[in-house]
Amino acid sequence: EDQVTQSPEALRLQEGESSSLNCSYTVSGLRGLFWYRQDPGKGPEFLFTLYSAGEEKEKERLKATLTKKESFLHITAPKPEDSATYLCAGGMNSGYSTLTFGKGTMLLVSP
Amino acid sequence: GAGVSQSPSNKVTEKGKDVELRCDPISGHTALYWYRQSLGQGLEFLIYFQGNSAPDKSGLPSDRFSAERTGGSVSTLTIQRTQQEDSAVYLCASSLVGRGSNQPQHFGDGTRLSIL
Repeated sequence: EDQVTQSPEALRLQEGESSSLNCSYTVSGLRGLFWYRQDPGKGPEFLFTLYSAGEEKEKERLKATLTKKESFLHITAPKPEDSATYLCAGGMNSGYSTLTFGKGTMLLVSP
Repeated sequence: GAGVSQSPSNKVTEKGKDVELRCDPISGHTALYWYRQSLGQGLEFLIYFQGNSAPDKSGLPSDRFSAERTGGSVSTLTIQRTQQEDSAVYLCASSLVGRGSNQPQHFGDGTRLSIL
């Protein structure tokens, strides 16, 4: 069964304190690993797609990396506005076009 | 440009009533998805439309749930005889290409459904 697991469930950081969020997956025939940011009361906002092991993508203070079994979202010197829930999702090529989402990591950055 | 639009943003209804949720995708996006997000749970796939192909309904939890997409654009998700366990946020997403594609899905802000 395809599965995406995120850890930790919640993370509290001080402003400027760098850390990483983990997304491990068992998705057969992965066609893309997606990261989204979700603010309270809003829909998920697309951040990155990673296609193959070793790939990295960056956007401001965020950097996403991918291995054969997991992905990391590194947050460097976070600011309070980075507080959100970060969702990871695996896209499959098993004939099923939808994404398998993890439950997310709720990040709170305190000033 | 305009993103995915969903209405209503909030809906409160009594158990047993029918509800209709609307989604207007990004112009030009041929693929449209419905998901359900319950408190503490991940997004749960419900149904997928791609162009004029038959929809993938494999995620619908019961026959009380149905959806249609008219003219390849606007979609309506209907829940009949609502139950309290139907309370959740219903999210719609659209993308440029559907099945097997790596195109990211873009989400609306959802409809928060509360069943009393």
